[in-house]
Amino acid sequence: SQKIEQNSEALNIQEGKTATLTCNYTNYSPAYLQWYRQDPGRGPVFLLLIRENEKEKRKERLKVTFDTTLKQSLFHITASQPADSATYLCALDTMDTGRRALTFGSGTRLQVQP
Amino acid sequence: EPEVTQTPSHQVTQMGQEVILRCVPISNHLYFYWYRQILGQKVEFLVSFYNNEISEKSEIFDDQFSVERPDGSNFTLKIRSTKLEDSAMYFCASSEPGNNEQFFGPGTRLTVL
Repeated sequence: SQKIEQNSEALNIQEGKTATLTCNYTNYSPAYLQWYRQDPGRGPVFLLLIRENEKEKRKERLKVTFDTTLKQSLFHITASQPADSATYLCALDTMDTGRRALTFGSGTRLQVQP
Repeated sequence: EPEVTQTPSHQVTQMGQEVILRCVPISNHLYFYWYRQILGQKVEFLVSFYNNEISEKSEIFDDQFSVERPDGSNFTLKIRSTKLEDSAMYFCASSEPGNNEQFFGPGTRLTVL
């Protein structure tokens, strides 16, 4: 069966360090991999999307890599700040087959300590 | 900045009652979705809607659920006879035709007693 795993339930780092979150998937051939941020009691907020033929994508302090051979994506937040504390979700879709439904991982809760 | 809105923010209902959750997607988006998140669990896909019909649905979206776009702005999710296990946050989302970046609303917390 299809499975998406995010490396840990929680990650604690010091302000200014780089946070690295992992998303692994099995039995899946996604066209896109997306990362969302979710704050408690709120809806997911889109951060970055990377296509299967892209290796890396950047947006300000965020960087995503996508390795379809390893079936893994890494999500980096550089120069982390306490305001980055949230749960980060990876999500896959297979839009090229016409399906747009997102399948989410369970998330990694990031806590950035001042 | 345009955003997806949802009403009500919190709905409490008795088991067996019907509920309608309402959403106003972003105005130029053409794809609409409902997801749910049971407390402490993953965000789960329920249904997607395009061109006035369901385009995909999950196993969760059984005969108790229905969706409708009654006018040019609203998108609703109806649960006919609620069960205790329907208690969750329900998120509406929308996206443009050209990509699958989905914009989520703030959610409706449904509590079934």
